[in-house]
Amino acid sequence: GAGVSQSPSNKVTEKGKDVELRCDPISGHTALYWYRQSLGQGLEFLIYFQGNSAPDKSGLPSDRFSAERTGGSVSTLTIQRTQQEDSAVYLCASSLKGQGGTYTGELFFGEGSRLTVL
Amino acid sequence: GQNIDQPTEMTATEGAIVQINCTYQTSGFNGLFWYQQHAGEAPTFLSYNVLDGLEEKGRFSSFLSRSKGYSYLLLKELQMKDSASYLCPQRDSGGYQKVTFGTGTKLQVIP
Repeated sequence: GAGVSQSPSNKVTEKGKDVELRCDPISGHTALYWYRQSLGQGLEFLIYFQGNSAPDKSGLPSDRFSAERTGGSVSTLTIQRTQQEDSAVYLCASSLKGQGGTYTGELFFGEGSRLTVL
Repeated sequence: GQNIDQPTEMTATEGAIVQINCTYQTSGFNGLFWYQQHAGEAPTFLSYNVLDGLEEKGRFSSFLSRSKGYSYLLLKELQMKDSASYLCPQRDSGGYQKVTFGTGTKLQVIP
């Protein structure tokens, strides 16, 4: 498709299990972002990729969280030993790096992966 | 990071005009977006300001003052479907372009 695709859309898991969330950005978009949104809250920054490298991992809540991006395209967010506080919607967004001028470098969001940890 | 500050909730009447304010830290500023997010959906892009002044797009306008670290989103001729959260994320300057969101303003439009 033409938009950002995320899978799974819904994931229910038991505390202590590992989960993988996938993001397929818009073709050609070099920048990729992961955010987390708890119910009724704003978007919490997790990690940013430019190409395959992650210049900013400052938002990852703990060492149970990791992410990678391969081929400058698909990204996977992995949460190990999930805890109930990890329950949230995980949103992925992609953009072209802003080139100045009239180009905004706006972020295009996927529909999110809703994670529920029992 | 940026300290983005918006009112938590606002209520306005259908057909009226509403202004949603946003303040941010001026250091490291490289543009400010406005996004709309309906409950249970992904955020969608409304506008982008990097220079001072007013940008108008139909019923929506966005204003920026860089010296004051201040922006607002103006919604005219409010419709019920405008009930949503409105977010004003800021983009960092520098080699990479982290975009930081605040908690957003939840707008309720009433008849």
